[in-house]
Amino acid sequence: QQPVQSPQAVILREGEDAVINCSSSKALYSVHWYRQKHGEAPVFLMILLKGGEQKGHDKISASFNEKKQQSSLYLTASQLSYSGTYFCGTEYSGAGSYQLTFGKGTKLSVIP
Amino acid sequence: EPEVTQTPSHQVTQMGQEVILRCVPISNHLYFYWYRQILGQKVEFLVSFYNNEISEKSEIFDDQFSVERPDGSNFTLKIRSTKLEDSAMYFCASSDYWTGENYGYTFGSGTRLTVV
Repeated sequence: QQPVQSPQAVILREGEDAVINCSSSKALYSVHWYRQKHGEAPVFLMILLKGGEQKGHDKISASFNEKKQQSSLYLTASQLSYSGTYFCGTEYSGAGSYQLTFGKGTKLSVIP
Repeated sequence: EPEVTQTPSHQVTQMGQEVILRCVPISNHLYFYWYRQILGQKVEFLVSFYNNEISEKSEIFDDQFSVERPDGSNFTLKIRSTKLEDSAMYFCASSDYWTGENYGYTFGSGTRLTVV
């Protein structure tokens, strides 16, 4: 079962903020966030392992609400380089799973 | 920074032919994966590999597919009797699961497979 991402697409002007959400119908062990630019491989941004955890670097941060089985990625003061498709990947609790299941992605376009 | 290397970058093959996609994971990583992405769509899990055997595989990974680690460095995906719908970008990834919190996957740059 894949996680559900929203929105599917968003257009921002440079300097604006965005939030991308990722939710699951199953209990989560971890949430990964990746960014993929057109024609390139997904690049790891961060992983959240514990409920309530928040992480960030530069102006990109994320939170993980274990009870709600969801995670949010926050992009503040967006830059042109933030453009790309953002994927959340989820690992499910209790399965001893070595499988990361990706959502369909959120296409972010930052314009001048 | 360590990289996952994939070859070839692009492969064109005729329907029914066999292809082998090659990957060199990061040397101290323990877990290896194959994913595929049909143009413009999500990244789909195919298989994970640990300790020289398959850990998990998806419904997509049927008898047409196989993986091998023929030596200490290479990790291959073989697709037998290719079909048109196998056309996709195939990504190899590796991770070092036990180094703590930053065990995100490192993806290779992919092999674009075109079946004609």
